Amino acid sequence: DSGVTQTPKHLITATGQRVTLRCSPRSGDLSVYWYQQSLDQGLQFLIQYYNGEERAKGNILERFSAQQFPDLHSELNLSSLELGDSALYFCASSVARDGANTGELFFGEGSRLTVL
Amino acid sequence: DQQVKQNSPSLSVQEGRISILNCDYTNSMFDYFLWYKKYPAEGPTFLISISSIKDKNEDGRFTVFLNKSAKHLSLHIVPSQPGDSAVYFCAASDSFYGGATNKLIFGTGTLLAVQP
Repeated sequence: DSGVTQTPKHLITATGQRVTLRCSPRSGDLSVYWYQQSLDQGLQFLIQYYNGEERAKGNILERFSAQQFPDLHSELNLSSLELGDSALYFCASSVARDGANTGELFFGEGSRLTVL
Repeated sequence: DQQVKQNSPSLSVQEGRISILNCDYTNSMFDYFLWYKKYPAEGPTFLISISSIKDKNEDGRFTVFLNKSAKHLSLHIVPSQPGDSAVYFCAASDSFYGGATNKLIFGTGTLLAVQP
């Protein structure tokens, strides 16, 4: 158990719809990362938040957005869903305080999104 | 632009023998490298890491080698066990020694099957 909690574990929806994925980081971790894993693909970095602020952005579509709340949990919002958005979405957390870097990310079990 | 590459999608090894998983990278700014292991329906879990100032790191049956001039790293598992069967991801960071983010860039993974 990594200590990172993601909900829901599975989600089935239709094209054009909007969904929200939720992540609770490990206790004490200030940084949250979102990754997407499509079929036969590696983990693609989407976005990172640190203590409520966006810290780094990767290959995140404009239809996707994220935020980190004061209690440090994070949500990933996916809108105008397309068939190609079907994937596993992982959340990870780390301490990542300014000036200190443990190097390791701790991953949740993922949210599997199926768009029909 | 795939900055971290794992060119072997799969590898099959006999129990007790050595497993060698390879990874190549293109970004010379990467200063920290990690291997993650992933079982089906679970999130990736950290296995072993190496910083760019070292060329070898060992942890029990697992050893990671780094060849910076060739931009290549490898993971050796000796002896291999059936429980090692999983997908192994190579990952790299460009901010271990400083920087605002420690996002990881992942390869596409290698599926290791250890045959009893």
